[in-house]
Amino acid sequence: DAGVTQSPTHLIKTRGQQVTLRCSPISGHKSVSWYQQVLGQGPQFIFQYYEKEERGRGNFPDRFSARQFPNYSSELNVNALLLGDSALYLCASSFVGEGYEQYFGPGTRLTVT
Amino acid sequence: TQLLEQSPQFLSIQEGENLTVYCNSSSVFSSLQWYRQEPGEGPVLLVTVVTGGEVKKLKRLTFQFGDARKDSSLHITAAQPGDTGLYLCAGSSGSARQLTFGSGTQLTVLP
Repeated sequence: DAGVTQSPTHLIKTRGQQVTLRCSPISGHKSVSWYQQVLGQGPQFIFQYYEKEERGRGNFPDRFSARQFPNYSSELNVNALLLGDSALYLCASSFVGEGYEQYFGPGTRLTVT
Repeated sequence: TQLLEQSPQFLSIQEGENLTVYCNSSSVFSSLQWYRQEPGEGPVLLVTVVTGGEVKKLKRLTFQFGDARKDSSLHITAAQPGDTGLYLCAGSSGSARQLTFGSGTQLTVLP
């Protein structure tokens, strides 16, 4: 079975622009979480979606938004990009049940210039 | 705000040596996961520990969850160059079971 997939792999944007990142979970997983990883740090939780509903939100500004589709794939949108938004954006999927183990995709490297 | 502190931040050792990485918090977690991350890639799940005092072994890696479910350790025996990578601990909590990550331990094993 395919793992978590994310697109695009790399992205370069200019300050003030908007970006959309995409994620497809492992088949059978209904929960998707988004994390931001700045260079030299551990990932930070942004959102979790389960059955198309937001289940959790981290300490990120309203410029960050997400949604989950009926096929459980997800999009993360970031508006009015800042230089500080440059990071590796990771998507993780999990089977909601015992363990809640999260499996990560390869990430999207976003560079804001 | 829940925080996980990992130590050491950097570790460089010779092949064949043993090492231990620590993950500490003042908060209780439902479970704790250890990941390894290569440059430019997503974290890869190594193990999940759930019960206080639990010990899990994965070949040369031994993971322990503290009795109070606030801390954990990763011990690697006879490290190999292939063990090189960023080791991350992550505590699971809340109804969303969101992960709180430590800042990571960058391990380099020299041949």
